[in-house]
Formats: sequence, structure tokens, C-alpha cells
Amino acid sequence: LAKTTQPISMDSYEGQEVNITCSHNNIATNDYITWYQQFPSQGPRFIIQGYKTKVTNEVASLFIPADRKSSTLSLPRVSLSDTAVYYCLVGERLTGGGNKLTFGTGTQLKVEL
Amino acid sequence: EAGVAQSPRYKIIEKRQSVAFWCNPISGHATLYWYQQILGQGPKLLIQFQNNGVVDDSQLPKDRFSAERLKGVDSTLKIQPAKLEDSAVYLCASSLDPHSMNTEAFFGQGTRLTVV
Repeated sequence: LAKTTQPISMDSYEGQEVNITCSHNNIATNDYITWYQQFPSQGPRFIIQGYKTKVTNEVASLFIPADRKSSTLSLPRVSLSDTAVYYCLVGERLTGGGNKLTFGTGTQLKVEL
Repeated sequence: EAGVAQSPRYKIIEKRQSVAFWCNPISGHATLYWYQQILGQGPKLLIQFQNNGVVDDSQLPKDRFSAERLKGVDSTLKIQPAKLEDSAVYLCASSLDPHSMNTEAFFGQGTRLTVV
């Protein structure tokens, strides 16, 4: 199982771009990289998923280098409402089917005015 | 589309009592997860179902926790007897296709359990 390591916390200001990097040195060939966001008193919410290179959606971009041992979640022009915990996960395919989603401690992002 | 429903939202019990949580996943979702989230920590996977079969329960404390998923739809998680360290938020999540590489799971709002 690939373990993930990410910063415990980050601070930013409104309008800035925020990049959160996650390391996953033991990622397996079939594993995908996924990021979730969690607000207080809510369940985590899927942000983005990728396998290699770059993926972009309406919320964020995900950059994955060729060796796939790390990934960077990029949040463009953050606002106060982006204050949350961000989790990097490596999805492990199970023999019985499905993906096992193992959460680490996450990165607490605080956005200020 | 209705999301993942969980009940109750809050529960306070005394140690050594029993408690049960209920989850109704999104219709048609084959995979169902139960997580335990202790304050200040990330969610910890307790058990994962594929339809009504268990595919992972390696971190479920089986001496006191049990879970079932009836007919591959609703699920219940039970703790008997509860300990103080079981105080946490219990999150249920579901995802659509077990044969897909899509790792998008949808979470409910959770049940906050306090054991006193």
C-alpha cells in the first residue's frame, strides 16, 4: 500500500494560487492519485483524480511527474471558502473489485483576506 | 440526485452500551465504505463492501464492531460494547462501479458518536 506524505498545514491569501505537494514513493503501476477536500462537520468531497501528466477540471489541476512518486494539487485564485483540509490518496485496487481509499492526515489550508 | 444518507446525525451513549448507525448509499452504487474519523485525524477505513460482500475489513475491530449490507443496498454498523475511544464521526460513502478505475466516492454527513 502506497503511503502518502503531505504538509500538515499551509496558509495563503485570497486570489493567490495554492500548490499542495504530496509524495507517494511506493505507488504501484495500477494506482491512481486522488485528492479530496473536507470542510468541518462534513464528509470528504472528491476534487480530482489522475494517473500521469496533467489533469484539469473546473476546480483544480493535478500535476503528476513521469516517475509518479509525487503529485501537486493546484488551486487557482483561492478564496476564503477554500479553507479546508485537503487529502491526497493513492487508490489501491482490491482483488474483489473496487478501489481502497486510504486517507492520511491531510493538509489544513487556511485562506485569509 | 440524492446523496448518501446517514442516521442518526448525533448519538451520545455510555461506555459498554451498544449503538448502531445506518447508511443508505446512492442508488445503484456497488461499493459502500464505512470510515471512522477521530477529531483532528483523517478518516480511517473500517470496512468496504462490494454489493453485499466484504472486500476489506482489515481495520475493523471485530471483537466489538460489526457491519452488514443487506441485499447490497443499505448498511448498518454496530458497536457492542462501546469504549470511550470509539468517540468519533462515522462516515459512510459509496461509489458506482467496482470495475472502474474511478476513485470518486460520495460521502454522507456522518454520525457523530460521543461515548461518556
